[in-house]
Amino acid sequence: SAVISQKPSRDICQRGTSLTIQCQVDSQVTMMFWYRQQPGQSLTLIATANQGSEATYESGFVIDKFPISRPNLTFSTLTVSNMSPEDSSIYLCSVDWQGAAYFGPGTRLTVT
Amino acid sequence: QKEVEQNSGPLSVPEGAIASLNCTYSDRGSQSFFWYRQYSGKSPELIMFIYSNGDKEDGRFTAQLNKASQYVSLLIRDSQPSDSATYLCAVKMNTGFQKLVFGTGTRLLVSP
Repeated sequence: SAVISQKPSRDICQRGTSLTIQCQVDSQVTMMFWYRQQPGQSLTLIATANQGSEATYESGFVIDKFPISRPNLTFSTLTVSNMSPEDSSIYLCSVDWQGAAYFGPGTRLTVT
Repeated sequence: QKEVEQNSGPLSVPEGAIASLNCTYSDRGSQSFFWYRQYSGKSPELIMFIYSNGDKEDGRFTAQLNKASQYVSLLIRDSQPSDSATYLCAVKMNTGFQKLVFGTGTRLLVSP
């Protein structure tokens, strides 16, 4: 399976600021995904990021709040902008590898 | 109706017993079905996938799929305390980027 790393692993941020999360994969992949998992909840897809095109956002998520970059086939970033305490969550990067989804270790974000 | 439904549990079984986890889905056109295990504070880990009707076995795990009933299950034989975790059912939708939709997860507790 693909090996996925994320940075930072956790962060505590003040409201109104922004945080950029990085996701690195050890193999070239076409599709990368960003999920959010709020405390005690399941995973919610934020957006799908394909290299060379604009990210596709799910209902309830907008580019101004969650801008995504996908500069090449092994890397993506998700920015959480103008944060509020409601953005406190685990953010997970995922890749589609041979038909199955594999996840990075996640970024635990706390907004105070 | 939710796209993917699971009983939240907890499902409690004694060590050595068979744990049976169930999942139903709404999109009749779905083709790929996955089971993930998530330990507290960790990211989801793929344990099984199934594409065809019937059973698929991998060690102590058996995935069962019934597309006519839109039902997928996971059996864990000889359950161990280390199997205690939340099990997430995921279905790859037959639309757009074939996004993965997750159920809310079933918490499994295996008592020694």
